Amino acid sequence: AQSVTQPDIHITVSEGASLELRCNYSYGATPYLFWYVQSPGQGLQLLLKYFSGDTLVQGIKGFEAEFKRSQSSFNLRKPSVHWSDAAEYFCAVGAGTDKLIFGTGTRLQVFP
Amino acid sequence: NAGVTQTPKFQVLKTGQSMTLQCAQDMNHEYMSWYRQDPGMGLRLIHYSVGAGITDQGEVPNGYNVSRSTTEDFPLRLLSAAPSQTSVYFCASSYLPGTAGNTIYFGEGSWLTVV
Repeated sequence: AQSVTQPDIHITVSEGASLELRCNYSYGATPYLFWYVQSPGQGLQLLLKYFSGDTLVQGIKGFEAEFKRSQSSFNLRKPSVHWSDAAEYFCAVGAGTDKLIFGTGTRLQVFP
Repeated sequence: NAGVTQTPKFQVLKTGQSMTLQCAQDMNHEYMSWYRQDPGMGLRLIHYSVGAGITDQGEVPNGYNVSRSTTEDFPLRLLSAAPSQTSVYFCASSYLPGTAGNTIYFGEGSWLTVV
């Protein structure tokens, strides 16, 4: 069965520090992978996506993610976090033609 | 661009009442879906549709009903509200999810409380 695991429920970083949010997936075929961000009281905004090709994907707001097939991972990174990055982040896998499976989310808190 | 529009944004219901959450998209997308978001559980798929006249169940369909009479609209009906249905509901639309390069667009959410 398809699944997505985000092992970190809550992460706290200082502004300016680097960030890595972990995502592991389980899917039999080549997955379509996504990262979404949700600010408090808001909907979901797509940060980046991977379908094929270069395994390092660049997204909006300075985020990037690397697809590692051998580790079944799609970790999200940012070299220097801004206070406005505080939000909840969801990793998702496109499972076939009709489903998008989400992880349980990682809440990011940024201290000044 | 309106994108995906959900109404209402907030609603309080009494147990046993019925209501409909509206969802409309103006991007001519074939695929529309409803998710519910609960703390610690991420987003779970309730129902989805791959085109007008076609709907199917997702992960947590019980207590909900959908229809897709037009490409643009995909309402979610709560038949007899229960406190367990207190949640945030998101409507989403896209071209068929298996399409390479596809992006799924989300509405801004509907906060539902059942008392």
